[in-house]
Amino acid sequence: GQQLNQSPQSMFIQEGEDVSMNCTSSSIFNTWLWYKQDPGEGPVLLIALYKAGELTSNGRLTAQFGITRKDSFLNISASIPSDVGIYFCAGQLGDTSYGKLTFGQGTILTVHP
Amino acid sequence: DAGVTQSPTHLIKTRGQHVTLRCSPISGHKSVSWYQQVLGQGPQFIFQYYEKEERGRGNFPDRFSARQFPNYSSELNVNALLLGDSALYLCASSLDWGINYGYTFGSGTRLTVV
Repeated sequence: GQQLNQSPQSMFIQEGEDVSMNCTSSSIFNTWLWYKQDPGEGPVLLIALYKAGELTSNGRLTAQFGITRKDSFLNISASIPSDVGIYFCAGQLGDTSYGKLTFGQGTILTVHP
Repeated sequence: DAGVTQSPTHLIKTRGQHVTLRCSPISGHKSVSWYQQVLGQGPQFIFQYYEKEERGRGNFPDRFSARQFPNYSSELNVNALLLGDSALYLCASSLDWGINYGYTFGSGTRLTVV
């Protein structure tokens, strides 16, 4: 089945620093999604990308859908303590598999004040 | 507006028992998906239902089954529980069927099998 490799596995940064994480796959996806999960909660959608090459921002977050459709990255600028959490990328094939999201292993982000 | 509601929030079961988890989607949403999230990993797709029909199934054994009711709520059933079934079970709802419809996750049911 499809596999998503997400890196880095964890990051420890100072408040105010920028963060970058990425996801790669051996399979082509038609949609890339980035989620954040806080302890005891379900994932919350941050950014959705629907076209190869698309660059989308949501406040301090910016994500891009790779040209090959096999990768995506997420950048967080000027990190703040509430950015702490686990970030997941997820790919969606489309065709008849609309409901199936394939998730990466997650990036654990720790922000020191 | 209520988000995706899952019940119960926590559950402890013994090996070999059966469990039923429930999900109420966002009002107006017709599609429900179920995911299993083992500690330290990303969610794994189990099932998707749309308009009360199964539209997708992940790589899980037949001990896992689900259904969707006329009001679009859903149940996930797991028979003959194993220790390895201990996980956070997430339900996600979507307005409709299609790639451009986002998925909203509930807070999950934490299942512990002892």
